[in-house]
Amino acid sequence: GAGVSQTPSNKVTEKGKYVELRCDPISGHTALYWYRQSLGQGPEFLIYFQGTGAADDSGLPNDRFFAVRPEGSVSTLKIQRTERGDSAVYLCASSSRTGSRYNEQFFGPGTRLTVL
Amino acid sequence: AQSVTQLDSHVSVSEGTPVLLRCNYSSSYSPSLFWYVQHPNKGLQLLLKYTSAATLVKGINGFEAEFKKSETSFHLTKPSAHMSDAAEYFCAIFYGGSQGNLIFGKGTKLSVKP
Repeated sequence: GAGVSQTPSNKVTEKGKYVELRCDPISGHTALYWYRQSLGQGPEFLIYFQGTGAADDSGLPNDRFFAVRPEGSVSTLKIQRTERGDSAVYLCASSSRTGSRYNEQFFGPGTRLTVL
Repeated sequence: AQSVTQLDSHVSVSEGTPVLLRCNYSSSYSPSLFWYVQHPNKGLQLLLKYTSAATLVKGINGFEAEFKKSETSFHLTKPSAHMSDAAEYFCAIFYGGSQGNLIFGKGTKLSVKP
């Protein structure tokens, strides 16, 4: 079956521009996570959705970052006024359960964002 | 607070020799721990997980890990490395509560020499 997909795979933009990154989770998965992975680091949590609502957005670095999941499936991560420090790989993961220590998250291949 | 520390940023082994990737954790309560592998330009793939059942956990591709509470460790091992094992490996801990997000270590890059 299809896994988590993310588009685009690569995005190059200029400082100050707006970007949108898309995540298609595994069908039927109610939980969706966004992580950011900077060069040489492990993934860092950004935001978590349970269904349509953002249950925890404590990892978003500032108010330039925003994410939506209007129908409880596809999610879009939006970054306004991009800065060079936003350059990273943005990972999306989905899970069929949440709040459980048995939680397995399935990851997409990521979107590599480069801000020039 | 929950955290994990991967003790080596880079490990190099010869094909056919054992692999040891080290991970220590810090947790306020009984943790759930995970090992993920990341091949270049691929998503993270779950190798194995510990969730308070057996302390020796067997995963995919011949990997296993042992949970040692007294040492707060969850090291990943494999008896014999293959060239295809060359990748980045991440140890992670379940954050807890109702969020369920993972906290990752910085990763260990495994190189396998022929």
